[in-house]
Amino acid sequence: EVQLVETGGGLVRPGSSLKLSCATSGFTFSNTWMNWVRQAPGKGLEWVALIKDKYSNYEANYAESVKGRFTISRDDSKSRVYLQMNTLRDQDTATYYCTRWYPGPFAYWGQGTLVTVSS
Amino acid sequence: DIVMTQSPFSLAVSEGEMVTINCKSSQSLLSSGNQKNYLAWYQQKPGQSPKLLIYYASTRQSGVPDRFIGSGSGTDFTLTISDVQAEDLADYYCLQHYSSPLTFGSGTKLEIK
Repeated sequence: EVQLVETGGGLVRPGSSLKLSCATSGFTFSNTWMNWVRQAPGKGLEWVALIKDKYSNYEANYAESVKGRFTISRDDSKSRVYLQMNTLRDQDTATYYCTRWYPGPFAYWGQGTLVTVSS
Repeated sequence: DIVMTQSPFSLAVSEGEMVTINCKSSQSLLSSGNQKNYLAWYQQKPGQSPKLLIYYASTRQSGVPDRFIGSGSGTDFTLTISDVQAEDLADYYCLQHYSSPLTFGSGTKLEIK
């Protein structure tokens, strides 16, 4: 059974940093593209970042709203994907979902972790 | 960036009826290389994570009831739910995965009368 479990969310001040982690199991992590998608309270879905597999040289792509502030990474030996978030803003407040890409885009989702940026 | 325009914002139907949700992209999502449309549909029930229903415009994800039908090509796409059930109460989103940045539609709220 495919499982994705996000951790690391919490309440932080504007300008601070936070690192999210997603532990996965039930599939071959190393050859799977992984993503982060977020959803602000009561709002729609927003793609945040994608990291491809080793066969695609771990290419990463980002939404314009987080480019230069967020970094997606992965550890294939631990079957984990991460999202390092720096210089956080109020607008980054959202539930962050870890998602797996296969067989279609965002085919599997974790339960999400809530990040609240507030002074 | 590709803009996804989704309609309607909300709709209310009775059980057993059929609904259609539309999604229009600002650029074609049809790949000339493999003739696939890079459009997906998601369902998000209250308090739950989203769930993939349809990808490549019309391919149903494993386990999704055949009441959910995706259609369309190029820039115009439709999600049809036939014989709506109470359990279909949810928000529905389209997504283009043709090019980065990946972009979602604004969502459609389906209510059951």
